[in-house]
Order: sequence, then structure tokens, then C-alpha cells
Amino acid sequence: QKEVEQDPGPLSVPEGAIVSLNCTYSNSAFQYFMWYRQYSRKGPELLMYTYSSGNKEDGRFTAQVDKSSKYISLFIRDSQPSDSATYLCAMSSGNTGKLIFGQGTTLQVKP
Amino acid sequence: GAGVSQSPSNKVTEKGKDVELRCDPISGHTALYWYRQSLGQGLEFLIYFQGNSAPDKSGLPSDRFSAERTGGSVSTLTIQRTQQEDSAVYLCASSPTRHPSGAGELFFGEGSRLTVL
Repeated sequence: QKEVEQDPGPLSVPEGAIVSLNCTYSNSAFQYFMWYRQYSRKGPELLMYTYSSGNKEDGRFTAQVDKSSKYISLFIRDSQPSDSATYLCAMSSGNTGKLIFGQGTTLQVKP
Repeated sequence: GAGVSQSPSNKVTEKGKDVELRCDPISGHTALYWYRQSLGQGLEFLIYFQGNSAPDKSGLPSDRFSAERTGGSVSTLTIQRTQQEDSAVYLCASSPTRHPSGAGELFFGEGSRLTVL
């Protein structure tokens, strides 16, 4: 079993839809949770960063962490075609510098 | 340059040959990471540097893989006697985080795409 599980999709939605992306994890030591966005043939870029449990909002994006369930989510409101990319969750215990990534979910937003 | 620079961007090699992949991190970033991304897969951690030392090299798949970092800057990932299963995109990232307990933002390069025939 992988430390971080993420459904690879692909996920296809119409423009304007609300998108929900999720990851589960097994290591209870994880405290730092991130979402990265990766466009085709580019390196990933940081989208959201949260520490411990709770919600964080940034524009159309909301990240949620539920440590009791070992479950994290990223919500995208009013999705746009430019949101079409692969979204990777990542997490770390903070005891080392190592960041563990999920497999990534490919999202396509259709105009 | 402002970002993480990797070279070559594409490399095609024959099975059994050695390859070197280079990463030039953002100036002043103390932490440097190598990840591997195979088709349809997530990022697989290979090695992490803090300065010139590698506190965590647990992700290196075999002794054919090695990496070094000199001057707290440029890093080279070397794969000896390449195999077809080594074909992947090798991504380098750097971070300004100075303390190993801080998981700061990683800034990624665009990767080196390796194809082993």
C-alpha cells in the first residue's frame, strides 16, 4: 500500500463546475499538506499549502485537511478551461525534508 | 535565470550507457530534491540535499543511481548502465528551507526526459 493514494482520473467537467479532488494517506505523522498543479510537460507548481487540520481558501481554491480521517481535499469553484492540468497532493511529516506525492489526478475542464 | 534549470531537457540513450543529468537550483536555495516521474505515475522521491550533504537518499532505486551536489548549488544525478525501466522524467526542485523540519515550497524545473532504448 502506498503512503499516499490519489485517484488518477481522468476527471472531465464542464466549465463553471465545482471540482473536488481528494487524497488519502496512511502515515499519521504527516503534518504539512500541499497541492501542486502540473501542466503538460512542465514542472509542478505549488497551489495550496496547509499545516495540520482545517480549511484554507485562496480565490477559487479551497484546501481541506481532516487528519482524523487521514483525508485531504482540494475544491475548485467556477472551474475554467485554464484549470485543466494534473493536480498532485503532497505531504510531509516535517521531520525530514522529504515530500511524498500522490499519483496525481488529471482534470479536464471543457468550455 | 530566475527558476530551476535542468539539462538536458531530452536525452535518448542506449541500454547499458551511463547518463548524467544536471540541475541548477535557484540561487540561495539550500535544499535540493530529485524526483522521478514515470508515465501516468506520481512523483517518486529519489534523494534530498541540504547544502552539500544528503540526509535522505532512501529513494535511489539501486546502486546504479548516484547524485552529488557541489558548492551548495549545482547537482548532478548519474545513472550507470541504464536500463529501459529507467525511462522517465527526472525532476529537480529547490527550496529556500534551511531547517530539515520545515517542509517549505518546492520550486521545480521542467525536468529531463530520459528515454532508454
